[in-house]
Amino acid sequence: GENVEQHPSTLSVQEGDSAVIKCTYSDSASNYFPWYKQELGKRPQLIIDIRSNVGEKKDQRIAVTLNKTAKHFSLHITETQPEDSAVYFCAASRDAGNMLTFGGGTRLMVKP
Amino acid sequence: DAGITQSPRHKVTETGTPVTLRCHQTENHRYMYWYRQDPGHGLRLIHYSYGVKDTDKGEVSDGYSVSRSKTEDFLLTLESATSSQTSVYFCAISDRGQPSYEQYFGPGTRLTVT
Repeated sequence: GENVEQHPSTLSVQEGDSAVIKCTYSDSASNYFPWYKQELGKRPQLIIDIRSNVGEKKDQRIAVTLNKTAKHFSLHITETQPEDSAVYFCAASRDAGNMLTFGGGTRLMVKP
Repeated sequence: DAGITQSPRHKVTETGTPVTLRCHQTENHRYMYWYRQDPGHGLRLIHYSYGVKDTDKGEVSDGYSVSRSKTEDFLLTLESATSSQTSVYFCAISDRGQPSYEQYFGPGTRLTVT
């Protein structure tokens, strides 16, 4: 089955700096890669996703890049703000919307 | 937030007792999922459903069973709870591409097995 590795497990940045979280996956048939944000005590919520026919996608301060050859994808957050502090999860799926395999999560701390 | 609720929100139970968690949705979405969340493991899929009475196993299904007798409800049962099943359980729903691929998560149930 699919295996998703996520790094780093914790990340501390200064407000205004950029943050990058990286994930690798094992199943070359995976074609859908969402990122979820989970604030303390809350449910995970989708922040951005990318499909295998696209190499990069951007939404305001967040962007995701995908390298299918190397089987890795990354989340980039620019101009970080304290409200970006949360746990971020990457995931991969062969079939969009079904059977997501999640990475272990990254705790992002943005220091004011 | 999508119309998805979980009950109970918190439960403490003893080893060996049966436990049933309920997920209820008002979105009429076809797909429903049960995940467990443990530190360092992210979210792991337990079981999922792709329609009424249609269910399948996920990554960590041992010790769990599910039932879906109507579109809006998806039940997760621990037949004989063990301490290793202490976790936060999340239900999720999706309509698989109609109009998006997003899985919407419920608020979670914190289960403690003593």
